[in-house]
Amino acid sequence: EVQLVESGGGLIQPGGSLRLSCAVSGFSVSNNYMSWVRQAPGKGLEWVSVIYSGGTTYYTDSVKGRFTISRDNSKNTLYLQMNSLGVEDTAVYYCARDHPDNSGRIDYWGQGTLVTVSS
Amino acid sequence: QLVLTQSPSASASLGASVKLTCTLSSGHSKYAIAWHQQQPEKGPRYLMKISNDGSHSKGDGIPDRFSGSSSGAERYLTISSLQSEDEADYYCQTWDTGIRVFGGGTKLTVL
Repeated sequence: EVQLVESGGGLIQPGGSLRLSCAVSGFSVSNNYMSWVRQAPGKGLEWVSVIYSGGTTYYTDSVKGRFTISRDNSKNTLYLQMNSLGVEDTAVYYCARDHPDNSGRIDYWGQGTLVTVSS
Repeated sequence: QLVLTQSPSASASLGASVKLTCTLSSGHSKYAIAWHQQQPEKGPRYLMKISNDGSHSKGDGIPDRFSGSSSGAERYLTISSLQSEDEADYYCQTWDTGIRVFGGGTKLTVL
């Protein structure tokens, strides 16, 4: 059974850093494209970042230079390191798996972890 | 620029059918999309992929009441025999190299 479980969210002051984790089971993070998607309170879904199976990474413009996506194959875990956080980064953060055909469609989601940036 | 456009809201009666629309931006009419459902206070769930030829590929356990189709730059999600649990936000998603794009979502109310 495919499962994705996020952790690491919480309340952080503006300018601070946080690392989110996504522990997966039922498949290997190393063999799949994996994304982070966020949802600000009362808003829609916003794609944040993707890491390809070969290790190439991409980011949406608003987080470039501040966020870093990575993975630990031995722990089968996906990460999102978030630095220089601003109030606009407040959101529920979901990790998500691309379908194994690597087309780009997301086919599994985690339950999300809430990040609140506030003084 | 790759953009998806959805109507903000839709409504239909219990037991009826509803068709939600997702429109691809100019120049991107051949792109496939995916539909995702987000029930209140829950994470999203993948429903299906819709290709430009109208073929679709559903996620695990998605009922037959959910179907998809395509016409030009529009991709559709049809839900028949509406049930109360279908009241949710529905997002379309597409992709290109290095990006994933979401539509603004449609809030479906079941009357």
